[in-house]
Amino acid sequence: SQTIHQWPATLVQPVGSPLSLECTVEGTSNPNLYWYRQAAGRGLQLLFYSVGIGQISSEVPQNLSASRPQDRQFILSSKKLLLSDSGFYLCAWSVRRSGMDEQFFGPGTRLTVL
Amino acid sequence: AQKVTQAQTEISVVEKEDVTLDCVYETRDTTYYLFWYKQPPSGELVFLIRRNSFDEQNEISGRYSWNFQKSTSSFNFTITASQVVDSAVYFCALSPTTSGTYKYIFGTGTRLKVLA
Repeated sequence: SQTIHQWPATLVQPVGSPLSLECTVEGTSNPNLYWYRQAAGRGLQLLFYSVGIGQISSEVPQNLSASRPQDRQFILSSKKLLLSDSGFYLCAWSVRRSGMDEQFFGPGTRLTVL
Repeated sequence: AQKVTQAQTEISVVEKEDVTLDCVYETRDTTYYLFWYKQPPSGELVFLIRRNSFDEQNEISGRYSWNFQKSTSSFNFTITASQVVDSAVYFCALSPTTSGTYKYIFGTGTRLKVLA
């Protein structure tokens, strides 16, 4: 069966510090991968998605970046965090199957920028 | 434009009451998929159901049921005999197929509180 891992689970960082969040998927090959952010009390905002190694599409211009160095690894980074980067970050994966593409989400990382 | 509207920000019900969560979507695609997810306090989104645009049959799964009506662009979710464990934020999402990458458009969610 497929599983998705995210770490760390919780992170508190000062403004201006770098960020690296990692997401890995097990039990599947060539998944689509996604990073979402959920601000407090709000819906999910798609940040990045990737359909293959080294292929990253950005949905929202910001000071975050994403990379996919391996097939089942997706990394969210920042060189300098802003207060507005605080939120709950969710990684998701999907595999096209019969024309449908349900996404499965990881446990999330709660980021607080102080 | 592609959009999902969940007009109910928060709903409170007493245990054993039935509750319906509304979802209205907008899309110009003729083929698309709709989803419901549950987000319990732990934060992880749990997949509940998907529905494609060609299948308007309502679906029932235990205490959960979904009413899909293309004529009104709605995909409502009903919980029968609600329980405290149903307390969560529920998200409706749209996946238009012309995007090529099957990106989701999420609604802003409805927080359901079931009181004992």
